[in-house]
Amino acid sequence: AQTVTQSQPEMSVQEAETVTLSCTYDTSESNYYLFWYKQPPSRQMILVIRQEAYKQQNATENRFSVNFQKAAKSFSLKISDSQLGDTAMYFCAVAPRGYQKVTFGIGTKLQVIP
Amino acid sequence: SQTIHQWPATLVQPVGSPLSLECTVEGTSNPNLYWYRQAAGRGLQLLFYSVGIGQISSEVPQNLSASRPQDRQFILSSKKLLLSDSGFYLCAWSALGQGNYGYTFGSGTRLTVV
Repeated sequence: AQTVTQSQPEMSVQEAETVTLSCTYDTSESNYYLFWYKQPPSRQMILVIRQEAYKQQNATENRFSVNFQKAAKSFSLKISDSQLGDTAMYFCAVAPRGYQKVTFGIGTKLQVIP
Repeated sequence: SQTIHQWPATLVQPVGSPLSLECTVEGTSNPNLYWYRQAAGRGLQLLFYSVGIGQISSEVPQNLSASRPQDRQFILSSKKLLLSDSGFYLCAWSALGQGNYGYTFGSGTRLTVV
């Protein structure tokens, strides 16, 4: 079984500042994938970033980057130069390699303040 | 390009009435298809997934069922809705054998059972 814990129900950040969203997970698999999804008020879920657990290098997508600490089973998301359009629910998720089902956390609501 | 359509966007149904939510994918063949339910404070719960026509796996015993009558069509049904069936329902797809590249989600259906 897999679990994902997001301990920050809500966060806020000033526009142009940097914010980090926390996520811890648990899995018995040795090969797995981690994801961050974004759900803006429009409700459309969008994949933000993906990390392969066997890669030590942290994934980066433009202003979004992760801090992946495999031993600690931690997978935080850093958003740099926050923009108003970053306001959304953010979900952390994990899936074993070759396994079709993804387990999600309960989400963190991020508000970017102008 | 691949697109996913989900309808209706909102639905208000009385307790005991039937339910049918539909999801279709375009621009791909043999997709893996998923139904998730999102409840406030509880993240996303996987309800059903399908790797092919007529192949349905149920994750949570409940008042709902799913069917896949065609390769790119996935239907969520209920014969008699309960109040507890209220929530936000999301359909998603991933390429066959490539679920670890993340899902593409539909825009969701807000179901309110009254």
